Amino acid sequence: GQQLNQSPQSMFIQEGEDVSMNCTSSSIFNTWLWYKQDPGEGPVLLIALYKAGELTSNGRLTAQFGITRKDSFLNISASIPSDVGIYFCAGHDSNYQLIWGAGTKLIIKP
Amino acid sequence: KAGVTQTPRYLIKTRGQQVTLSCSPISGHRSVSWYQQTPGQGLQFLFEYFSETQRNKGNFPGRFSGRQFSNSRSEMNVSTLELGDSALYLCASSLTSGLYYEQYFGPGTRLTVT
Repeated sequence: GQQLNQSPQSMFIQEGEDVSMNCTSSSIFNTWLWYKQDPGEGPVLLIALYKAGELTSNGRLTAQFGITRKDSFLNISASIPSDVGIYFCAGHDSNYQLIWGAGTKLIIKP
Repeated sequence: KAGVTQTPRYLIKTRGQQVTLSCSPISGHRSVSWYQQTPGQGLQFLFEYFSETQRNKGNFPGRFSGRQFSNSRSEMNVSTLELGDSALYLCASSLTSGLYYEQYFGPGTRLTVT
């Protein structure tokens, strides 16, 4: 089925670094959602975006709904060890189907 | 408030068997969606139930079916299991069906088919 293009696939970062990941689509989306999944658990909603251009923060996390409605990014500032996990973007397309990206795996370098 | 619960958490089945997974949504939530997640893949949507009716269906064969009860609890059934059905099956609940209602996930059922 349709899938969002999420990049990068994985990231190796040092503790304290800022992180940026994004999601793109070939068609317009009505919402963008960012989830984090820890090993052995279900995804947990981090940020939900509902309007083009919307910029929302949740602690050290910031996400934006692209102005073209075809992309979104998630930034994490000053990463800490508990940030490791898989981050998924998801969005409702024009048919109101919820479509998911393949995930960005965040790994902290020892 | 209790979260979404899924039972069992782990399951091992043999090819050709059938399996039933259960999901209890957050109290007051009426929509339940099911997803399949395989290693390195995003979530693949199976189906959504709202008020005991299937609202949406993903692109999976008819071996995958589900239902929802009047208390919003949902079950998913997979018949004639194949090796490729080995995956984490996630259930998510939301207050209602639609664009602006956020989904909350359970921990998943890890199904291994041998």
